[in-house]
Amino acid sequence: DVKVTQSSRYLVKRTGEKVFLECVQDMDHENMFWYRQDPGLGLRLIYFSYDVKMKEKGDIPEGYSVSREKKERFSLILESASTNQTSMYLCASSLVAGESNEQFFGPGTRLTVL
Amino acid sequence: SQKIEQNSEALNIQEGKTATLTCNYTNYSPAYLQWYRQDPGRGPVFLLLIRENEKEKRKERLKVTFDTTLKQSLFHITASQPADSATYLCALVPGGSYIPTFGRGTSLIVHP
Repeated sequence: DVKVTQSSRYLVKRTGEKVFLECVQDMDHENMFWYRQDPGLGLRLIYFSYDVKMKEKGDIPEGYSVSREKKERFSLILESASTNQTSMYLCASSLVAGESNEQFFGPGTRLTVL
Repeated sequence: SQKIEQNSEALNIQEGKTATLTCNYTNYSPAYLQWYRQDPGRGPVFLLLIRENEKEKRKERLKVTFDTTLKQSLFHITASQPADSATYLCALVPGGSYIPTFGRGTSLIVHP
């Protein structure tokens, strides 16, 4: 079974702190994604990566950056956390040419910025 | 602008009945459509995919239909059980892409 793990389930940070969210997948997937999920707004794509060191902006990249130094690991960075970045963050991975291109999601990190 | 609409109101049904969830879209030409299940506090889990040239897909108690003329997909759960209670998300993937755009999801509550 594909497993996508995220470094923390719950995280509390202060405004202005630099925050790192880590995601690791164990099935050699090329694609990795970061989403945030907010009530009433659904899943919104922040960034995605289709290969090591490659990254593309999603729909809401402002205030975020990412890093993919190894195929299995995709990090989301909040350079200076703000209260409006309080959210559930979900990482996902998928094959480039899978039969269904289904996304495999991690359990999520609920981030609170005070 | 592109829009994916799922009922924001929760769907409440009795155990044993068929649940039907709707996904409508506008200004979109999806190559295929996916359905995911999400339990509270967890990531979505893929259930089914249906392609633009398919009318219907089944998997156990699940059935998905796709009408590209109406721009609508229906997701059915037959003989529903309380364990089916969750939020169900549809996701559209355009041709030549592997990146889905997700709807906001509909909450299903199955009462015993």
